[in-house]
Amino acid sequence: EIVMTQSPATLSVSPGERATLSCRASQSVSVNLAWYQQKPGQAPRLLIYGASTRATGIPARFSGSGSGTEFTLTISSLQSEDFAVYYCQQYNNWPRALTFGGGTKVEIK
Amino acid sequence: EVQLLESGGGLVQPGGSLRLSCAASGFTFPAYGMSWVRQAPGKGLEWVSTVSGSGDNTYYTDSVKGRFTISRDNSKNTLYLRMNSLRAEDTAVYYCAKSVASTFDSWGQGTLVTVSS
Repeated sequence: EIVMTQSPATLSVSPGERATLSCRASQSVSVNLAWYQQKPGQAPRLLIYGASTRATGIPARFSGSGSGTEFTLTISSLQSEDFAVYYCQQYNNWPRALTFGGGTKVEIK
Repeated sequence: EVQLLESGGGLVQPGGSLRLSCAASGFTFPAYGMSWVRQAPGKGLEWVSTVSGSGDNTYYTDSVKGRFTISRDNSKNTLYLRMNSLRAEDTAVYYCAKSVASTFDSWGQGTLVTVSS
């Protein structure tokens, strides 16, 4: 099973600042990496797939980068609605297991 | 607009069974794989199972193989998850999700399954 590790566990950021979230895979997943946002009490929402392609309706302040084992989600200027938990997910070895990272909580500083 | 509405969750004793349903609308249901993803209280996301658009192919995470069965009724636009031999560690919110290229591009609001005596 491919293990996904996210860091940091919690990121404290002021509104308007840039946030950089990391996701590392235990083996190469090429660019088969997605990012999700989850707000309290809500279902997750797909933000990024293919490591860097924004999903429909996702603002341009969200960007993804990376390949192989190292990935980054960047939120260029944090808005109040962006404070949430973010998860990465690999889908490189489908139809074997799909795996998520443990999440990064972005909180208000 | 894609809508996914789960139902069937509740409290069940260890060893018991439950069937979850997910009613889908707003898209061509048979054209897409569908999945269940769960989230234990205060924890992260865990993929559980996926079924192909036709229903012919099913996939499971190791911890539920032999206990859970995913299925779909394309005439009713409905996804199911039959859960047998439930354990305390199966306690979670279960989300129904529309699958596109092994990502999850639309999610329901979830249904809570609690396994406890």
